[in-house]
Amino acid sequence: NAGVTQTPKFRILKIGQSMTLQCTQDMNHNYMYWYRQDPGMGLKLIYYSVGAGITDKGEVPNGYNVSRSTTEDFPLRLELAAPSQTSVYFCASRSGRSGGIYEQYFGPGTRLTVT
Amino acid sequence: GENVEQHPSTLSVQEGDSAVIKCTYSDSASNYFPWYKQELGKRPQLIIDIRSNVGEKKDQRIAVTLNKTAKHFSLHITETQPEDSAVYFCAASIPSGGSYIPTFGRGTSLIVHP
Repeated sequence: NAGVTQTPKFRILKIGQSMTLQCTQDMNHNYMYWYRQDPGMGLKLIYYSVGAGITDKGEVPNGYNVSRSTTEDFPLRLELAAPSQTSVYFCASRSGRSGGIYEQYFGPGTRLTVT
Repeated sequence: GENVEQHPSTLSVQEGDSAVIKCTYSDSASNYFPWYKQELGKRPQLIIDIRSNVGEKKDQRIAVTLNKTAKHFSLHITETQPEDSAVYFCAASIPSGGSYIPTFGRGTSLIVHP
C-alpha cells in the first residue's frame, strides 16, 4: 500500500491565484482530514470527511473548500490565495472500523508559499 | 472549543535521561489523547495514545498518563536516545458525529545530546 499520498510536494502561488491540493489514500479509510501547520505551531484542522459525499468544517476553514466524491480522494481547494495561507498542508486518514481504531495516517505534506 | 496547552516548548536532555512532556486540555468531552512524533521535514507519526477510560499506557520506553479530573496528560520517555530527538505533539479529541475532532498542542522540541 502507498498509504496517504499528496501532490504537489511544493508550490509557490501568487496572491489571488487558485489551486487544488490533491490527497489520495489506498487503505479504504472512511475518515479523511486536512490540516495546516504553521512554523512553530501544532496542526490546525481545516476540513474533515466521514465518508464519500460528507464533509464538515474544522477549526480554520475560511479560504478553503473540499469535496469527497470517492472514498480514496479528498482534494483541498484554495480560492484567491493570500499570504496567510503560506503553510505546510497535511492530509490524513483513519479507518473508523468498530473497535475504536483511532490512529490517523498522515501524508508527506505539501509546502505552499503565497507571495 | 477545545484548548490544549503543551509544555515545555523545548526540552534538552542527555542521552539516557528521562524526558517528560505535559499537556492540559479544557473540554471534559475529550476522550482520546494521541501523541505524535515529527522529525524535521517529515510527517507526524503516532507513537502512543490513550483513551479516557484508561489512566496509563506503556510501550517499551514510552508511557502516557492521563488524569481526567485535572484534565492533563503526560508523555514519558525513559532512557532517551539521540534518535528520539524530534518535535512531539499532543492532542485532545472530542467525539463528533461518528468521527472525532482533534485539537493539537503547539509541540515540544526534544533534543537528546549524545
